[in-house]
Amino acid sequence: QKEVEQNSGPLSVPEGAIASLNCTYSDRGSQSFFWYRQYSGKSPELIMSIYSNGDKEDGRFTAQLNKASQYVSLLIRDSQPSDSATYLCAVNQINDYKLSFGAGTTVTVRA
Amino acid sequence: EAGVAQSPRYKIIEKRQSVAFWCNPISGHATLYWYQQILGQGPKLLIQFQNNGVVDDSQLPKDRFSAERLKGVDSTLKIQPAKLEDSAVYLCASSLGYPAFFGQGTRLTVV
Repeated sequence: QKEVEQNSGPLSVPEGAIASLNCTYSDRGSQSFFWYRQYSGKSPELIMSIYSNGDKEDGRFTAQLNKASQYVSLLIRDSQPSDSATYLCAVNQINDYKLSFGAGTTVTVRA
Repeated sequence: EAGVAQSPRYKIIEKRQSVAFWCNPISGHATLYWYQQILGQGPKLLIQFQNNGVVDDSQLPKDRFSAERLKGVDSTLKIQPAKLEDSAVYLCASSLGYPAFFGQGTRLTVV
């Protein structure tokens, strides 16, 4: 079983719609959760971090964490063409800074 | 604040040749990581340094890969000899706790 799994893409959404990205993880000791955005040919860029159960909002982005279900999600509201990228879910364990990444979900926002 | 610097950006070598990548982390970041990202996959940790000591190199193919971090700052990653399957982007990241910040990466093509 992979440590971090993301819903397979690609995900195509019309401009202005909500893009919903899902991620599950296998290690119950996981403590910190991150979403990175990666444009084609570029390096991953941190867009959201979440550490406790519930929702965390930052602009058009909302991260949701449910540790009991070992599930973390990212919602992108009012999607824009500039949101077209691959979104990577990353997880690490308590007292361990290294990140385990999912394979990523590619999002395409149609104008 | 300057980001993580990597060089070179691109490298093409023949199989069985050797190659080295260089990374300069964000100033003050004690933790440095090297990740390998194969096309279509998420980054995979190769090695993690805390200052100039190795914390985790469990996924580093030690028969051909080596890495060092002298004086707890810059780091080099070497591959000798390279194989076709080493074609990937090599990402350096650094952190002071959470989260990790990535450099632009080195795209290696082995032919």
